[in-house]
Formats: sequence, structure tokens, C-alpha cells
Amino acid sequence: QKEVEQNSGPLSVPEGAIASLNCTYSDRGSQSFFWYRQYSGKSPELIMSIYSNGDKEDGRFTAQLNKASQYVSLLIRDSQPSDSATYLCAVPGAGSYQLTFGKGTKLSVIP
Amino acid sequence: NAGVTQTPKFRILKIGQSMTLQCTQDMNHNYMYWYRQDPGMGLKLIYYSVGAGITDKGEVPNGYNVSRSTTEDFPLRLELAAPSQTSVYFCASSYLSAGIKYQETQYFGPGTRLLVL
Repeated sequence: QKEVEQNSGPLSVPEGAIASLNCTYSDRGSQSFFWYRQYSGKSPELIMSIYSNGDKEDGRFTAQLNKASQYVSLLIRDSQPSDSATYLCAVPGAGSYQLTFGKGTKLSVIP
Repeated sequence: NAGVTQTPKFRILKIGQSMTLQCTQDMNHNYMYWYRQDPGMGLKLIYYSVGAGITDKGEVPNGYNVSRSTTEDFPLRLELAAPSQTSVYFCASSYLSAGIKYQETQYFGPGTRLLVL
């Protein structure tokens, strides 16, 4: 059974701070990793994907991947109230096109 | 492009009733997926399709059926609704080339909220 684990939160950070979201996965063969953002009552939307060890930056978002530790994280710099949402980590199993989603971490950015 | 569209947005069913959730995508994606999301939970894959005429079970297929007669449409059928099927249902699609190594971005529809009483 493939597992993707996230802290459910809620994670509260003040506006302008760095929010750090973490995710661990069980399948060592997984090759790609995704972070989705889901606003309350809305559908998930992709914000970051990462395939190689290390960091990937896109604007205020940085994804970090460590395959040896089976760990992927998302950093949000200069957090804004509009970043308040649930962040879902998604990982396909090795050789699979099916995504396994974590339960999500609810982030609240306090003005 | 409308992307992925789903109908209806909200539906109340009585136990034992049947219904079909509609999903259409206009991005010419070959892969399509149905997920359900219960409160405070992540998404669970119900069924998926790799192309017209080809479907396969996901993690939680019991109580559901699917068909895929065209590239664009991927309806989800509930035959005998049960309270345990109360959930939000999301349809998604993606494009994967033959032999591709990595999963590609999945694009989600707006969801259908289903309440079974």
C-alpha cells in the first residue's frame, strides 16, 4: 500500500513569514512529485512539480526533494493571506500513472 | 478552452437511487480519472482511463462504474446510492506520451457534491 503522509495542521504563519510544508512517501521508486493547492470548496490546482533531488524555485514557491530520505517539502516565502488553503502532496508509485494523495496540510496566513 | 467540466455541481440522492456524474475535457487528454474526497481527507482514486474504450479500477471502485466511449467524456455511474457515497467527486485529465517516464500534471474539474440520504 503506497502511502503519502502530511501533517494535517492547521499551520498558522504571520503574513510575510516563510511557510514550510512537509511530505513523506513510502514508495522508493517514485520518480515525480507534485504539490497541489486547494482552496475551500474548490478543486485542486497544481502549483509545483519536482523530479530531481534538490530545490526547484518558482516565484515565492520552492519545492525540495530528498529521495534518499523519501521526503519532499514546499516552502512559501513572503506568505500572503491569499496563500491560505490546503496543500496536497501527490506521488505516483514506481511505474504507475496513478497519483496517491496525502490528506493535505491546511495553511492559514494571519494578516 | 473550458478545460475539465463536470455536471451537476450538487445533487441529493435517496438511498438506492442511481445517477451519472458527467465529465468532459476539451484538451485532447488521453488519461482521465475519477476521485472522491471526503472531509479532511485526500483524494482517493475511483477509476481511471488511459484512452477511449480502456478503463481500470483505482483504490476505491466498489459501488461505481465507468465507461469511456470518446476521448472527451468519462461518466461515472452510481447504481445503488448508499450514504457512504456522500462525498465530493472530482474528475481530472492529463496527457501522457507513450513511453514517458514521469506522471504529468493532472487538471481537475470543479467537482460534484453528492449527498445520499
